[in-house]
This record gives sequence, C-alpha cells and structure tokens, in this order.
Amino acid sequence: QVTLRESGPALVKPTQTLTLTCTFSGFSLSTSGMCVSWIRQPPGKALEWLARIDWDDDKYYSISLKTRLTISKDTSKNQVVLRMTNMDPVDTGTYYCARTPILPNYGMDVWGQGTTVTVSS
Amino acid sequence: EIVLTQSPGTLSLSPGERATLSCRASQSVTSNYLAWYQQKPGQAPRLLIYGASSRATGIPDRFSGSGSGTDFTLTISRLEPEDFAVYYCQQYGSSIFTFGPGTKVDIK
Repeated sequence: QVTLRESGPALVKPTQTLTLTCTFSGFSLSTSGMCVSWIRQPPGKALEWLARIDWDDDKYYSISLKTRLTISKDTSKNQVVLRMTNMDPVDTGTYYCARTPILPNYGMDVWGQGTTVTVSS
Repeated sequence: EIVLTQSPGTLSLSPGERATLSCRASQSVTSNYLAWYQQKPGQAPRLLIYGASSRATGIPDRFSGSGSGTDFTLTISRLEPEDFAVYYCQQYGSSIFTFGPGTKVDIK
C-alpha cells in the first residue's frame, strides 16, 4: 500500500524559512521513473504545483517560485524535503506531496492528506 | 509554461445528469499527458484520469476523458451524489507541471 504523509510547522512567521517533510512508504525513490511532487492550495483557491524531484536527483521548480524553493530527498529514510524561504502571508495554505511516476507517466497518482501552514506574525 | 484554462467555472446539475467539463491548454500538451483530479471539501485531490483518457485504478466507468493537443474534456455520464466536487485538469507533458483553475460541479 502506497502512503505519503506531510509534516512540518503549522505556523511560521513572515520572512522565515518553511521546511516540510514528506515521508512515504510502499514505493522507493531509487526506482527508475519514480518521482515525488509538492503541491499547495491557498484557502478556497486552486491547486498550485511547486516542485518535483526524480529518482536520479533531477529537480524541477515552479517558474514563479523557483528562487525560493529547494527540494531534496533522503532515499534511505523514504523522505522528501521542501524548503521555502522568505515566507509571506500569501503562502498560507495546505501543502501536499504526491507520488509522481513518470516511467510510465501516470500523473500524480497517490497524495498525502496535506499539512496546513499559516504565515502570521 | 503551459497555461490551462477550465470552463465553465461552475456547473450546476442534478443527479443523473451528464456533466461535460473543458480544459484548454495554451500550447500543445506533449504526448497528451493531461490528468484530471477530483477534490472534495477537506480532502486531498484524487487522480481520476491520466494520459487524457485512461481511468486511474478504482475509478468508475461513468468518468471518461477525451481530447488531444490543446483541448481536453472530462465527462461524467450520470452524476451520482458523491460526484459533486471540484475538478482540476493538470498537464505533465513538460517538466514544469501546471494546474487549471478548476470547475466546481454543484447540485442544482
């Protein structure tokens, strides 16, 4: 059974750096073609894709947020970490991680339940 | 990046009716790598369709996807009460993924 779980602080202050961890089971990020994505959703708004990390450590970022994001993985721990710098109240929302197999290319087929982040002083 | 536009913004229908949702891309989606997701309040999105027309595991056959290039459609043949939700399209043909703004299907 494939599961993903997001964890991190529920509250961060403006200008701080947010660090989120996605812990997964049921698949390996060392398997060729396997990837993990991060997606966020402000309250009442649409989904926004943030970043993806691949089995071979290739990394891809949202164009609008590229300068603020860093994605990394620890294959031995089955974890993917997302860091977002210079947090602002507009970054408030629910952050999801999702399994993203690309060989074959299935889209984002299993999602975590999400973690809510509020940015406020 | 590829910009996705969804229409209509809201679709008001009754159970048993047919729903047709549209997703249009600003440029051709490579290999028709277009997915549809369903999201209910307080829940994570769920993959319905990948590759424009393939149903994900466990998705009922009343959900179908079609289209290619820049124009894609999600059809729900007969709406069940549990189908009232928000639907997002997403392209994954480029290395920079993008989502559409969503279509809300609500009860008329």
